[in-house]
Amino acid sequence: DIVMTQSPDSLAVSLGERATINCKSSQSVLYSSNNKNYLAWYQQKPGQPPKLLIYWASTRESGVPDRFSGSGSGTDFTLTISSLQAEDVAVYYCQQYYSTPPFTFGPGTKVDIK
Amino acid sequence: EVQLVESGGGLVQPGGSLRLSCAASGFTFSSYEMNWVRQAPGKGLEWVSYISSSGSTIYYADSVKGRFTISRDNAKNSLYLQMNSLRAEDTAVYYCARCAVNGAFDIWGQGTMVTVSS
Repeated sequence: DIVMTQSPDSLAVSLGERATINCKSSQSVLYSSNNKNYLAWYQQKPGQPPKLLIYWASTRESGVPDRFSGSGSGTDFTLTISSLQAEDVAVYYCQQYYSTPPFTFGPGTKVDIK
Repeated sequence: EVQLVESGGGLVQPGGSLRLSCAASGFTFSSYEMNWVRQAPGKGLEWVSYISSSGSTIYYADSVKGRFTISRDNAKNSLYLQMNSLRAEDTAVYYCARCAVNGAFDIWGQGTMVTVSS
């Protein structure tokens, strides 16, 4: 099974500043036939279900603000919030959905306001 | 409105059974692959089970294999999770989640709480 790790576990960023979250997979999630990385990012606020932010590592889901961006390929990925807003306080998870299940999630990164 | 609504959670004793349901609306349910994902109190997300659009292909996490059964009724726009031999470690909020065409989980229900305790 593919194991997902995230760093840091938590971070506090000032409003308007950049937040960067890293995600690593234990094996590549790049599908060579279509050159797509099967990696998604989710945001979960307290008491709410997760919300899809990014799929294919860098494609924003419809309606997601453009301050959220994803990058990376193979085994190393990054979620960047370019200018943190108060409503971005949440836990962020990466997930791989490469090939057959299990579709594993990272342990999560908690983002707070400094 | 595209929506998933879970039901069936509750308090059950260790060794007991429970059947969760997920009602889909606002989209062609029979065209989409579906999943169950759970979240223990204060913990992260754990994928539990997957079912293809027709129901012909099914996968389980090792932690629930042999105890949980996923199924769907496309005529009723519903997804199910039969949970048997429940353990304390199965205590969690259970979400149903739709697989988008791109494979990511694009629609989630609000979740239903399952508590396994004596």
